[in-house]
Amino acid sequence: GAVVSQHPSWVICKSGTSVKIECRSLDFQATTMFWYRQFPKQSLMLMATSNEGSKATYEQGVEKDKFLINHASLTLSTLTVTSAHPEDSSFYICSARTGAIYEQYFGPGTRLTVT
Amino acid sequence: DQQVKQNSPSLSVQEGRISILNCDYTNSMFDYFLWYKKYPAEGPTFLISISSIKDKNEDGRFTVFLNKSAKHLSLHIVPSQPGDSAVYFCAASAFGVNTDKLIFGTGTRLQVFP
Repeated sequence: GAVVSQHPSWVICKSGTSVKIECRSLDFQATTMFWYRQFPKQSLMLMATSNEGSKATYEQGVEKDKFLINHASLTLSTLTVTSAHPEDSSFYICSARTGAIYEQYFGPGTRLTVT
Repeated sequence: DQQVKQNSPSLSVQEGRISILNCDYTNSMFDYFLWYKKYPAEGPTFLISISSIKDKNEDGRFTVFLNKSAKHLSLHIVPSQPGDSAVYFCAASAFGVNTDKLIFGTGTRLQVFP
C-alpha cells in the first residue's frame, strides 16, 4: 500500500535554530503534499499545500517565512522551521495525495521540541 | 472557528458492543466526509468515507451515516474490538472549493475494553 515516511520522527532543537523535516512518499508519486500541525488533544490543522515545482499555498495565519516548504520532487517535500521558538513545539504531520481526496496518505509525524 | 466538531473527546465501550462516534459540521458547502483512525505517534489512516449524495456507507464492521439537514455524521463500529482503541477523526471537504483541503474535527478517543 501507499507509504509515507517522515524524518526525523523526533527532534529537539534550541531556540533560534532551524530544523528541517522531510516527507517522502515511498512507493508512489504524489500530486500534492500537505503539512499539518497538531497540538495536544486538538485537531490536525492544515498549514500548507504544496505541489511539485511550484510555491506552497499557506493557510491563513501561517507564516510562510517561518515555515518554509520545498516540494523538490513528486516524492519529497520538506518543511523547515526557521528561527524556532518554544511555541513552535508541536507534532507535525505530512500527507501525500495520489488522486481522489480519500487517496491521501499520512506520514507518522514528527514531534518537534524547542528548548 | 471550528467548522468540524467532535463534541465527545472520549468514549469507552465494551468489546462486542456498538461504538458510535459523532461529528457535526457547520459549513453547508461540505460534500465529502471521511473518518480516520489514529494511533499515538502515528499518522492518521483512512477508514471510510461518504459523499453527500448518500446517507449511508458500509464497509465491514464500519458504517458511516450522514444527516445533511442536521449537518451531522456518525461512525458506527459493530462489534467493537480492543484493536479499535484509537483516536478517530472525522474530516470534511468541499468539492470545487479548495478541493484539496480536508478540515478535521478534534478527535474522539475510543477505548474498547474486554
